[in-house]
Amino acid sequence: AQKITQTQPGMFVQEKEAVTLDCTYDTSDPSYGLFWYKQPSSGEMIFLIYQGSYDQQNATEGRYSLNFQKARKSANLVISASQLGDSAMYFCAMRGTNTNAGKSTFGDGTTLTVKP
Amino acid sequence: GAVVSQHPSWVICKSGTSVKIECRSLDFQATTMFWYRQFPKQSLMLMATSNEGSKATYEQGVEKDKFLINHASLTLSTLTVTSAHPEDSSFYICSARVAGGGHPEVFFGEGSRLTVL
Repeated sequence: AQKITQTQPGMFVQEKEAVTLDCTYDTSDPSYGLFWYKQPSSGEMIFLIYQGSYDQQNATEGRYSLNFQKARKSANLVISASQLGDSAMYFCAMRGTNTNAGKSTFGDGTTLTVKP
Repeated sequence: GAVVSQHPSWVICKSGTSVKIECRSLDFQATTMFWYRQFPKQSLMLMATSNEGSKATYEQGVEKDKFLINHASLTLSTLTVTSAHPEDSSFYICSARVAGGGHPEVFFGEGSRLTVL
């Protein structure tokens, strides 16, 4: 079974500052992918960044970077230079590549509020 | 990236009626689609896995007779909420898996908001 834990129900950050959203995971799959999604109030799931379990380097996508620590089973999202438009709910998710291929397990989410 | 479209985006219905939600992959074939339900301020919970041409696989606790899933083609899966009640009011999101090797690519629809009066 796969499990994603996000321990921060809500986070506040000042505009232009960086913020880290925490995510820990548990899985028995030897190969898996970790994902972060942004969900604004409209409800759509916006893909932000992906980290493969065998990737040696941490993933980066523009202002988003993923701090992947495999031994600690953590995959924290770092957003640099926060913008007002970053205010949304953020979900950490996992997908396996074997029996759970394509099936996503989500954390409870973190609501990020960017203050002007 | 690939596009997954859901229709309708929102629907309001009376208690006791049935509602059908469509999930279409617009520019790729999806042998597998997934249906999730999300209550306000909560996480997405997987309801069922829909495979083209075969019966859907439901997660534990999801009533298969209430949430009918049909995956009749490689680009379309439908979720029908039968005899809807107010407690079925929720945000329903589908995702479609791109067939092929490597790490399975999955794309999410925009979601469908159901309100049962």
